[in-house]
Amino acid sequence: DGGITQSPKYLFRKEGQNVTLSCEQNLNHDAMYWYRQDPGQGLRLIYYSQIVNDFQKGDIAEGYSVSREKKESFPLTVTSAQKNPTAFYLCASSTGQGITDTQYFGPGTRLTVL
Amino acid sequence: GQNIDQPTEMTATEGAIVQINCTYQTSGFNGLFWYQQHAGEAPTFLSYNVLDGLEEKGRFSSFLSRSKGYSYLLLKELQMKDSASYLCAVLDSNYQLIWGAGTKLIIKP
Repeated sequence: DGGITQSPKYLFRKEGQNVTLSCEQNLNHDAMYWYRQDPGQGLRLIYYSQIVNDFQKGDIAEGYSVSREKKESFPLTVTSAQKNPTAFYLCASSTGQGITDTQYFGPGTRLTVL
Repeated sequence: GQNIDQPTEMTATEGAIVQINCTYQTSGFNGLFWYQQHAGEAPTFLSYNVLDGLEEKGRFSSFLSRSKGYSYLLLKELQMKDSASYLCAVLDSNYQLIWGAGTKLIIKP
């Protein structure tokens, strides 16, 4: 079955530690995205990548880093510089072609920093 | 600035009809998406509108008026499984998705 996987579903880390969230897709999509979702707020774009070995900052990139070495994978690192990292993180992908480019989401990772 | 407004929460009865509104002010417009999100899960795509009018897809319909900066999602014959948050998102002139905070829909028997 084609889809997007994120692991783990729940993640706990101590304050000051970096943590990497996994996102893998087998949909052969060119574009991938990372969002953060907080209660009462809309999804906020952290980073996106439209092609391998290239990525762009979104609205709230500070304290985060990404890589796109393979088409299938777009890991997100939450660094100790992120002031309020506890949130629900969603990865999405799309074909990256055309105006009506629907994004499809992974199941999300809920990160709690203690 | 860019803004998407949706009601925070709505309640409806099983079997009834509910309309969830979304108004937007964005820099350009390249379409409007509706997604459904059950608690703790990923958003799933429901509909996309770029032209004015009503798009029907089974029990769900989505309407767009570009001149009014307005859309609604209409859910008919409500089922308990429709209890979820409904997210409105607009594709702006830079082809970036601007997301509303979502409307939590509570279905009562």
